[in-house]
Amino acid sequence: EDQVTQSPEALRLQEGESSSLNCSYTVSGLRGLFWYRQDPGKGPEFLFTLYSAGEEKEKERLKATLTKKESFLHITAPKPEDSATYLCAVGQNFVFGPGTRLSVLP
Amino acid sequence: KAGVTQTPRYLIKTRGQQVTLSCSPISGHRSVSWYQQTPGQGLQFLFEYFSETQRNKGNFPGRFSGRQFSNSRSEMNVSTLELGDSALYLCASSLIYREDEQFFGPGTRLTVL
Repeated sequence: EDQVTQSPEALRLQEGESSSLNCSYTVSGLRGLFWYRQDPGKGPEFLFTLYSAGEEKEKERLKATLTKKESFLHITAPKPEDSATYLCAVGQNFVFGPGTRLSVLP
Repeated sequence: KAGVTQTPRYLIKTRGQQVTLSCSPISGHRSVSWYQQTPGQGLQFLFEYFSETQRNKGNFPGRFSGRQFSNSRSEMNVSTLELGDSALYLCASSLIYREDEQFFGPGTRLTVL
């Protein structure tokens, strides 16, 4: 059975304070690992798809990396508008993790 | 271009009733997936449709069903509502060849009393 865990559950950062979010997974066949961002009251917004270990993708202040068992979402010099819940998902049926609730304080 | 639209946005029902939710995908998208999101269970996959055929199904009881029309619009139905069905129901659409990049709608908030 596909499983996804994310850590930390919640993270508070000062503006400009870089950090990383973790997504650990067990999956029978990796179709891909997906990162989404979700703002309160809205549907998730697609960020990245990673398909193989060693792959990296960047978008503005975000950089996602993938190993055989986990993925990291690195946030460099975050701004308050980066505050959101970050979700990762794996597997054919998009098994989502519980998310990391990020708060960036000005 | 217009995003994924879902109607209604909010819905209140009582136990035992049934409900139908609607989703209009982004123009040109032919794959539609449905998810249930609750504070306790998070985001859970319900089913995925492509060209009017259900391709994948999550681990939900048969009370949850869906369908897709020839114009790619989709509906999901929940019969014999239970209190635990209260949730945000999200629809996501994707292109044929980029089906992994899903675009989500704003969701329908269902409250079962």
